[in-house]
Amino acid sequence: ETGVTQSPTHLIKTRGQQVTLRCSSQSGHNTVSWYQQALGQGPQFIFQYYREEENGRGNFPPRFSGLQFPNYSSELNVNALELDDSALYLCASRAGGYNEQFFGPGTRLTVL
Amino acid sequence: QKEVEQDPGPLSVPEGAIVSLNCTYSNSAFQYFMWYRQYSRKGPELLMYTYSSGNKEDGRFTAQVDKSSKYISLFIRDSQPSDSATYLCAMSQKTSYDKVIFGPGTSLSVIP
Repeated sequence: ETGVTQSPTHLIKTRGQQVTLRCSSQSGHNTVSWYQQALGQGPQFIFQYYREEENGRGNFPPRFSGLQFPNYSSELNVNALELDDSALYLCASRAGGYNEQFFGPGTRLTVL
Repeated sequence: QKEVEQDPGPLSVPEGAIVSLNCTYSNSAFQYFMWYRQYSRKGPELLMYTYSSGNKEDGRFTAQVDKSSKYISLFIRDSQPSDSATYLCAMSQKTSYDKVIFGPGTSLSVIP
């Protein structure tokens, strides 16, 4: 059984650009959440996807958007990048009927 | 006041010591309590998951929840150098989605 995987591992962008991050959920997991973790801080909830629809969102602006595909993999899109978007972006998945989430290794985004 | 408070450390202990990590929270609606371990440049790894007040033990780890005081703890017995990591407490409400709120993390170093 493979765990949660994310790509790319690292990414460097400039302010104003757009970025897409990808996540493959753990086998059998149908719910995917995205988190932003700034240096020295705990992860902050961005949003969650279930059955290809967003079903919960944290305090992040609309330029943060996402998708979930029929195979439960997911994308996080960020438009009009700002310097403060530099962070580790984490994807977490869980199976239906269970509460425990399992995290991927993250994508480290640097905005210059 | 932040929803979840955690002493950021850093905490440095000799190998074999008992480690106590603590978090306080303000939202009495939290029902699920978790402890994650995060190694440098890695995603968080779920260590302990509890639903109710009381103690839960797993090997060298014991999680304690006191809902009346809004206080949770993680105890590590016989600490090892491999336990050196950042420990994140996390909690969530019983809602339709998994908005998990994390503490800022405590950095632990176990010295051989």
